[in-house]
Amino acid sequence: EVQLVESGGGLVKPGGSLRLSCAASGFTFSSYSMNWVRQAPGKGLEWVSSISSSSSYIYYADSVKGRFTISRDNAKNSLYLQMNSLRAEDTAVYYCARSGNSFDYWGQGTLVTVSS
Amino acid sequence: DIQLTQSPSFLSASVGDRVTITCRASQGISSYLAWYQQKPGKAPKLLIYAASTLQSGVPSRFSGSGSGTEFTLTISSLQPEDFATYYCQQLNSYPSWTFGQGTKVEIK
Repeated sequence: EVQLVESGGGLVKPGGSLRLSCAASGFTFSSYSMNWVRQAPGKGLEWVSSISSSSSYIYYADSVKGRFTISRDNAKNSLYLQMNSLRAEDTAVYYCARSGNSFDYWGQGTLVTVSS
Repeated sequence: DIQLTQSPSFLSASVGDRVTITCRASQGISSYLAWYQQKPGKAPKLLIYAASTLQSGVPSRFSGSGSGTEFTLTISSLQPEDFATYYCQQLNSYPSWTFGQGTKVEIK
């Protein structure tokens, strides 16, 4: 069974940093591109970042470019999102999602709250 | 960037109703469109990919159609567990995979 479990969310002050993790199991992690998608409270879905299976290709939404860094460790079956210079508008539930047939599996999400 | 516009944003329907949601793209995206269902407090769930292919395990009352700029998601007979918010997503404009704003389906 495919499982994606996010962790690392929490309350952080504006300008602060946070590192999210996504632990994958039930599939060959190293064969799939992975993504981060976020959802602000009461709002829709926003694609944040993607990374190819071997980390050769990395992409970011304009809203996070230069502040967020996506990475992965295939030996640990883990995906990461380093978030720096956080802003109030980054407050959201962050989901990791596998790129299979579209975004075919999603984690349960981890809440990031940016507030003073 | 490609924009996706869903209509309606909200609809009220009864169990057994046939429901259709439309997703329009600001430019052609071939068949690179997916549909997701999201229930409150839960992660999105993939229903349909490549505009019309049903994801494994998804009930056959869900169907998708369209290509280019206009797409539809149809639920042939609405069930109690189908009350949720539905999102379309385009995967043509690499690497920016935008979502529609969502359509909330509520019980009449």
